[in-house]
Amino acid sequence: QVQLVESGGGVVQPGKSLRLACVTSGFTFTTYGMHWVRQAPGKGPEWVAVISNDGRNKYYADSVKGRFTISRDKSDNAVYLEMTSLRPEDSAMYFCAKPSSFGSIVPEWFDTWGQGTLVTVSS
Amino acid sequence: QSVLTQPPSVSGALGQRVTISCTGSSSNIGAIYDVHWYQQLPGKAPKLLIYGNDNRPSGVPDRFSGSKSGTAASLAITGLQGEDEAQYYCQSYDRTLSAWVFGGGTKVTVL
Repeated sequence: QVQLVESGGGVVQPGKSLRLACVTSGFTFTTYGMHWVRQAPGKGPEWVAVISNDGRNKYYADSVKGRFTISRDKSDNAVYLEMTSLRPEDSAMYFCAKPSSFGSIVPEWFDTWGQGTLVTVSS
Repeated sequence: QSVLTQPPSVSGALGQRVTISCTGSSSNIGAIYDVHWYQQLPGKAPKLLIYGNDNRPSGVPDRFSGSKSGTAASLAITGLQGEDEAQYYCQSYDRTLSAWVFGGGTKVTVL
């Protein structure tokens, strides 16, 4: 079955960097784009970034544009989120999410989520 | 503040029917984009409940149903069960923001 396992979260000071990883299994990784979605405590989810199946196209939420970078490695079946210049408002549980359809990035739903990794930005 | 608006909470007795609304705008729900619903239990990741406005993934009980009209959508739970106590989120796509968007969530309480 499809599995997504995130790691890399932790407590970090404002202005510092952190790299999250999401290792996938159970589906053909190279045929799907992948998303990162975050959720602050007591809030609804917020979409963060998406990368196309071939890694060529990347899109970001305005709130993280210029600070976060999404990438993927087909040899590891993994997707990454490099977060720089972190702010307290970036504190959240970060989930990787698999979209419903393979191929091009299209408006769609998320059919599988990982368990999340917690990021806390605090001095 | 979320792009999609949901009531913070709804409640109902065991066996009753409850509905959760999700209000958007002409740049998301009112455009061509579908609405999807997720259930989130405490400490867990969201789980897909309804996709494409009114479709249930395999394994989701037929007590759950969705609909969309104009710039709004709704999720209905009939024959409310204790295990339905959870947070529920709607999701769509916004063409102005070029982003996947979510509602702020609705807490369902079974009385």
